[in-house]
Amino acid sequence: SYVLTQPPSVSVAPGKTARITCGGNNIGSKSVHWYQQKPGQAPVLVIYYDSDRPSGIPERFSGSNSGNTATLTISRVEAGDEADYYCQVWDSSSDHQEVFGGGTKLTVL
Amino acid sequence: EVQLVQSGAEVKKPGESLRISCKGSGYSFTSYWISWVRQMPGKGLEWMGRIDPSDSYTNYSPSFQGHVTISADKSISTAYLQWSSLKASDTAMYYCARQGRYYGDPFDYWGQGTLVTVSS
Repeated sequence: SYVLTQPPSVSVAPGKTARITCGGNNIGSKSVHWYQQKPGQAPVLVIYYDSDRPSGIPERFSGSNSGNTATLTISRVEAGDEADYYCQVWDSSSDHQEVFGGGTKLTVL
Repeated sequence: EVQLVQSGAEVKKPGESLRISCKGSGYSFTSYWISWVRQMPGKGLEWMGRIDPSDSYTNYSPSFQGHVTISADKSISTAYLQWSSLKASDTAMYYCARQGRYYGDPFDYWGQGTLVTVSS
């Protein structure tokens, strides 16, 4: 089965840029979605199809995907961005499974 | 407004059965798939399986196949996740999520979650 690897934690100072990676074999050939989950809340879609933003998500959130790494970038980080972030792909090679990365805890210093 | 509203928290004993629900509103329920996602305490998201409410076609993660059953009643816009014999290891938060009808579509709306606690 397909495996997505995320760093367990990323720390960033307010106003700086946070980059959260999601590694997978040739992930650049797949569509990657990103979710934000704050404590005690359900996940929220923040980036879909590698780099599209749902309505209501700030432009500070962006995504890219190439080679073996997809990246979620959060510019001008705010305290309210502190959350867990998960990447997700559809694995076409294994009976249409959906796969999540292990999640990254973003800490705003 | 699209909403997925899940049933309330449950406390069960090992070996008991359980069915939790997810009611969709604000959209055509049969035009989107519904997936179920598990989150064990302090852990990440795990995809369990999905259903196409239009015809009740399902597919499951191998990790959950045979242990849970996903179903739907399109007449009341509700999807279900059920267990016939719970284990303590089933203690978790369970989310339903809406997904477009194409493989690879994102989970664009999520339910609020149902906490299931299994303890003797």
